[in-house]
Amino acid sequence: AQTVTQSQPEMSVQEAETVTLSCTYDTSENNYYLFWYKQPPSRQMILVIRQEAYKQQNATENRFSVNFQKAAKSFSLKISDSQLGDTAMYFCAFLFSGNTGKLIFGQGTTLQVKP
Amino acid sequence: SAVISQKPSRDICQRGTSLTIQCQVDSQVTMMFWYRQQPGQSLTLIATANQGSEATYESGFVIDKFPISRPNLTFSTLTVSNMSPEDSSIYLCSVGLAGGDTQYFGPGTRLTVL
Repeated sequence: AQTVTQSQPEMSVQEAETVTLSCTYDTSENNYYLFWYKQPPSRQMILVIRQEAYKQQNATENRFSVNFQKAAKSFSLKISDSQLGDTAMYFCAFLFSGNTGKLIFGQGTTLQVKP
Repeated sequence: SAVISQKPSRDICQRGTSLTIQCQVDSQVTMMFWYRQQPGQSLTLIATANQGSEATYESGFVIDKFPISRPNLTFSTLTVSNMSPEDSSIYLCSVGLAGGDTQYFGPGTRLTVL
């Protein structure tokens, strides 16, 4: 069975600095997708970034980028130039491409951006 | 992406009653899902809402407790039946886009059971 682990329950960063959130996963599958979702206090789940396992190139979306290490089963999120609006819970999630769509989530990391 | 709405956004209910949560999408989608997020926890998939057939439930969730309807490709409901305080959670619907490989979420329904 697939599992997703986020080992950092809480993190903080100063505004304008860079922070990296960690995520590891366990799977025996070769084709899958990985995601980072953001959940601010409004509780809306917002897709931040998506990575296809068959692509070696790391995904980027503006200030957000990932470091995808398939062999190590690691999928970290880097937030550059942190902004106060980045304060939220961040969830790493796994989706097996052969599945009917079941997302498996990590435990989440609460990120606080300090002014 | 898609515009997804949920009703109600929050509710406070009495033990033993039932609540039906609605999820509406602005376009036709094949895959719709219901998740539960207990206080301070991550998200757990309850079931996949299938159009024209019964929902597919995950381990630990049963149809009698969480009946789901999917009358068309833009709408689904989740009912939380015979509620207890342990059912106090955020309930979120999601839709699968990009061939089902990416899910987008509704704003969630915060349920408190007294």
